[in-house]
Amino acid sequence: DSGVTQTPKHLITATGQRVTLRCSPRSGDLSVYWYQQSLDQGLQFLIQYYNGEERAKGNILERFSAQQFPDLHSELNLSSLELGDSALYFCASSGEGWGTDTQYFGPGTRLTVL
Amino acid sequence: AQSVTQLDSQVPVFEEAPVELRCNYSSSVSVYLFWYVQYPNQGLQLLLKYLSGSTLVESINGFEAEFNKSQTSFHLRKPSVHISDTAEYFCAVSDLGGSYIPTFGRGTSLIVHP
Repeated sequence: DSGVTQTPKHLITATGQRVTLRCSPRSGDLSVYWYQQSLDQGLQFLIQYYNGEERAKGNILERFSAQQFPDLHSELNLSSLELGDSALYFCASSGEGWGTDTQYFGPGTRLTVL
Repeated sequence: AQSVTQLDSQVPVFEEAPVELRCNYSSSVSVYLFWYVQYPNQGLQLLLKYLSGSTLVESINGFEAEFNKSQTSFHLRKPSVHISDTAEYFCAVSDLGGSYIPTFGRGTSLIVHP
């Protein structure tokens, strides 16, 4: 158990819909990362937050947005969903968000868009 | 920007045989290197990492990796694998000059046969 929790575990929805994925980091970790894992794209970094502020952005679509709240939990919002958004979405956390950090991954949310 | 190449998408091996999972990276600056493991239906977890110092790093479960700067490689090895080592292995690199966000390889599926 990494100490990172993600809800829900599974999510099935239809095209055009909007969903919210939630992540609680390990106790004491200030940085949260979101990743998308799919068979064709591999593990893609989406976005990083540090102590409530956006720190780095990766290949995140404009239809996707995220935020980190004062209690450090984070939410990833996916809107106008398309079939291609079906993937595993991982949240990870680390202490300070530096390159030397070990990232602790949650169990993931499997999103299926029908 | 850095990139990571994991040359083998799948490595089948028999139990108690040695294994090497290959990882090559490219970067114009100094790097930190990581190996993560993903067991079925779980998130990624750190196996080992190279930050500085000795180029040979070891994990608690018998894996080791050697940083070779001249060949820009960080291959993962184990002298004798177990059935329980069956998993997906990801090599990752973050560089000192960038955003510190690690770039992950596409992963290598290690399949250990009895």
